[in-house]
This record gives sequence, C-alpha cells and structure tokens, in this order.
Amino acid sequence: EIVLTQSPGTLSLSPGERATLSCRASQTVSNKYLVWYQQKPGQAPRVLIYGASSRATGIPDRFSGSGSGTDFTLTISRLEPEDFAVYYCQHYGSALWTFGQGTKVEIK
Amino acid sequence: QVQLQESGPGLVNPSGTLSLTCTVSGDSVTGSNWWNWVRQAPGKGLEWIGEIYHGGRTDYNPSLESRLSISMDASKNQFSLRLTSVTAADTAVYYCARDRNYGDSTWAFDVWGQGAMVTVS
Repeated sequence: EIVLTQSPGTLSLSPGERATLSCRASQTVSNKYLVWYQQKPGQAPRVLIYGASSRATGIPDRFSGSGSGTDFTLTISRLEPEDFAVYYCQHYGSALWTFGQGTKVEIK
Repeated sequence: QVQLQESGPGLVNPSGTLSLTCTVSGDSVTGSNWWNWVRQAPGKGLEWIGEIYHGGRTDYNPSLESRLSISMDASKNQFSLRLTSVTAADTAVYYCARDRNYGDSTWAFDVWGQGAMVTVS
C-alpha cells in the first residue's frame, strides 16, 4: 500500500507570499492518479489539481501542480486571503485511494 | 448542476451498524463515474472508505473491508454505506463524492456532499 507523506505539516505565510507544499509517495506512482484538494473549516474538500498538473474547473491559475515519480508539489504563486486552508494530496493505485495527512497553510 | 446529499442517523450505538445514503441529483449513478465514501474524524485528515460503480463493482479500504458494504439503488439514483460493529473510532463526518473521469485515465473527486456527522456513543 502506497503511503503519501505531506510536508510541512503547517506553513505560516503572509498574503501575497508563495506557498510550496510537498507530497511524497512511498513508491513511484502514476502522475495520472495524483490529485490535490483544498479544505476549509466546516466545508467539504474541493478539487484543485488532477493528473498531478491539470487545474480543475474554476481553479485560479495561481494554483499549479508539478512533479513525477515519488515527489509532487502544489504551488500557490501569491496567497490570497481565501487560500488559507488545509491541503491534501491523494493517489489511486491497486484499487485503493489514499490521502496524505494534509498541510495547513495559516496566516503568519 | 450535480449535487450529492448524505442522509442517515447521526447517532449509532457501539457495536451497532452505521448506515448512510447518498442521493445524487444532476447526474446518474449508472453513468461513467465511480461513487465514493470518505470520512473525517474530528480534527483529523481524510480517510477513503470505498467506492462503487454501476453494475455492482466495488473497491474497499482494506482497513474497513471486513465491516463494510457499499451498494447502489439505480431506481432512486442513490448509493449507500453500511458499516457494522462500529466503535467510537468510527465517529466522523462522512462524505459522499463523485469520482469523475477527466479523460486520459485521470480521475478526481469533483463533487462532494456537505457531509453527515455520525457519532458512535
């Protein structure tokens, strides 16, 4: 079973700054099944990125995904006030979906 | 506009059975998407529970498989979750979600229900 490890656990940044979130898989995974979500308190998650680098419908272009193999990155180029939230990576393999433990992006 | 809505008891007795239903509007559960359950314990991360495709094909989280059953009622455009022998560790917000095929073998959970809090006590 693939384990996804996200880092850092918490990222303290100011609006306007760049956020770089990491998702590392315990073994090589397919880009096609790597997804990023955003979750705000009291809300369901929202898909941001699918296929490691494709933005979902309606997602601003300040969000970008990259990576391959075991290392994937979600970048928020300039943080807006509404971007402070928890972010999860997710992967599908061997008939099983797995989530990372999440990275919280908080206001510094 | 596709919408999902979870329904079911908010309180379940220990050792009892947790049952939830997700009603889908704006899409058909017999289409080309998979239909999923995800849960989130208070203050914790997301845990995938399992998924179903029309025709009855299912995939389950191995950690829950022995207690889990996911089914579909196409006539009502619903799918359901049944988890037996529950304990306090099963207390969580339970979400249903659509696993959409974006093409080129890429998939993601693009529509979620609002979530249903279930307490085991």
